[in-house]
Amino acid sequence: EVQLVESGGGLVQPGASLKLSCVASGFTFSDYWMSWVRQTPGKTMEWIGDIKYDGSYTNYAPSLKNRFTISRDNAKSTLFLQMSNVRSEDTATYHCTRLYYGGYSYFDYWGQGVMVTVSS
Amino acid sequence: DIVLTQSPATLSVTPGESVSLSCRASQGINTNIHWYQQKSNESPRLLIKYASQSISGIPSRFSGSGSGTDFTLSINRVESEDFSVYYCQQSNSLPRTFGGGTKLELK
Repeated sequence: EVQLVESGGGLVQPGASLKLSCVASGFTFSDYWMSWVRQTPGKTMEWIGDIKYDGSYTNYAPSLKNRFTISRDNAKSTLFLQMSNVRSEDTATYHCTRLYYGGYSYFDYWGQGVMVTVSS
Repeated sequence: DIVLTQSPATLSVTPGESVSLSCRASQGINTNIHWYQQKSNESPRLLIKYASQSISGIPSRFSGSGSGTDFTLSINRVESEDFSVYYCQQSNSLPRTFGGGTKLELK
């Protein structure tokens, strides 16, 4: 059974940094592209970015690429999202997803999500 | 960016009714649209890929159709467990974008 378990969220002050983690199990992590998607309190879904199975390539939403970095540790089956200079609009639930990368990709599994609240 | 507009925002139905949910793209995206279901306090689940392709484990009452800019998710005879929010997502081009969702609620 595919499982994606996020951690690292919480309350953070504006301008601070935060690193989220996602531990994957139930599949060969190093064979799959992975992605982060966030959901705002108003339930709007926003794609953050993807990372290739070997970590050699990333895609990002243009509005976030200067502040967010996606990385992975295949030895530990773990995906990361480094968030810097966070803003109130980054308040959301952050989902780790597995990306079916077949040219035109979709998210075939989602984690439960971890909540990040940006507030002073 | 490709904008996806879902309608209606909310659909109130009684169990046993059949429904259609709409997703319209701001430009043509062939069949590169996918549908997700999100139940309250749960993570989204993939329902349909590439506009009309079924997903293993998803009940057959869910089906999708469309091509180009207009897409439909149909639920044949809604069951109580189907009351959720439904999102469409396009993979035709980056950035990957989602529709605003349609909430299917009990009338």
